[in-house]
Amino acid sequence: ETGVTQTPRHLVMGMTNKKSLKCEQHLGHNAMYWYKQSAKKPLELMFVYNFKEQTENNSVPSRFSPECPNSSHLFLHLHTLQPEDSALYLCASSLAAGRDEQYFGPGTRLTVT
Amino acid sequence: AQKVTQAQTEISVVEKEDVTLDCVYETRDTTYYLFWYKQPPSGELVFLIRRNSFDEQNEISGRYSWNFQKSTSSFNFTITASQVVDSAVYFCALKGRDDKIIFGKGTRLHILP
Repeated sequence: ETGVTQTPRHLVMGMTNKKSLKCEQHLGHNAMYWYKQSAKKPLELMFVYNFKEQTENNSVPSRFSPECPNSSHLFLHLHTLQPEDSALYLCASSLAAGRDEQYFGPGTRLTVT
Repeated sequence: AQKVTQAQTEISVVEKEDVTLDCVYETRDTTYYLFWYKQPPSGELVFLIRRNSFDEQNEISGRYSWNFQKSTSSFNFTITASQVVDSAVYFCALKGRDDKIIFGKGTRLHILP
């Protein structure tokens, strides 16, 4: 496996469901990120983890709950989402949080019905 | 406050033409980094270039070139002899002293055969 992988690639869930998005990086990086990309807004940074510690929470609603068990894995736990949460969720990693370029996964296309 | 403006929402050019994507940024930081990313239809953002604020040398990589002008706060991206595979959304991004990366809204580029 190479780069940054994300599963699932597509997810449809109801507003009462609980689901999780998974991200894994095989680059030996220490920082991982969650972004939201919706049709009418620029790419929005949601969370940053640096060496497994959360260093950034960009005023994200509590229905999104990140988890970073180690530097290679990042999860985004979802519960009681709203239709406006439908978007492409992108995971990225970099050598460390800071000036380094980020490498992105292919994203999970989430649809909330 | 930091800001990245990509005024061109969508551009269409015929294959083999040259095309320039504009990026204008705002920051009060004296040290900052600028990036360009490409997002093909598959969804995965691909890192293209990073430039720090102290290096105003233009860069060329194959058919791609970047023109960094601090005097006009611009970091424009030119594709020479465009190809259909260049069709994608291109994002310019800025990272300042707080290490938070800000993306522009992107420019959707169509290369017509």
